[in-house]
Amino acid sequence: AQTVTQSQPEMSVQEAETVTLSCTYDTSENNYYLFWYKQPPSRQMILVIRQEAYKQQNATENRFSVNFQKAAKSFSLKISDSQLGDTAMYFCAFLGPGNTPLVFGKGTRLSVIA
Amino acid sequence: NAGVTQTPKFRILKIGQSMTLQCTQDMNHNYMYWYRQDPGMGLKLIYYSVGAGITDKGEVPNGYNVSRSTTEDFPLRLELAAPSQTSVYFCASRKTGSSTDTQYFGPGTRLTVL
Repeated sequence: AQTVTQSQPEMSVQEAETVTLSCTYDTSENNYYLFWYKQPPSRQMILVIRQEAYKQQNATENRFSVNFQKAAKSFSLKISDSQLGDTAMYFCAFLGPGNTPLVFGKGTRLSVIA
Repeated sequence: NAGVTQTPKFRILKIGQSMTLQCTQDMNHNYMYWYRQDPGMGLKLIYYSVGAGITDKGEVPNGYNVSRSTTEDFPLRLELAAPSQTSVYFCASRKTGSSTDTQYFGPGTRLTVL
């Protein structure tokens, strides 16, 4: 079974600075997808970024980018120019092939400090 | 763009009462999921469905039932509510495809059992 590990329960960053959230996963699959979801205090789950395992190029979405290391099974999220609105729980998630459900890590609580 | 909708947003139940959490998606996704999120924790899969008429148990199915009579709807039934079922419940649907496989979440239902 796949597992997702987020080793940083809480992090903080100064406004306008850069922060990196870590995620590692375990799988024997070769084709899969990885995601970062943001959950602000409203509890809505918001998709931040996705990465396809067969693509070597790291995904980017505006201020959000990932460092995908397939051999190391690592998928970190970098937030540049942090904003107060980035304060939220961030969940890393793994999606395998077929009908296997999304597997989540336990989350990292990020606080952006003014 | 409705996406995934859930009703109600909030509900308080007494121990032993029953209720159905509604979930509807208008994106014609075959795959749908129910998760629960306890305070300060990640998401745990309750049940999922890969298409109309097909459902399967997730990690924490006890105390719940589901049905999938149409592609659009995936209701979650609590028969005898218990305090341990106090949680936030998320419904999700999944768009499958080699380059677009992504899971989308509803806004959640906050349930309190007293």
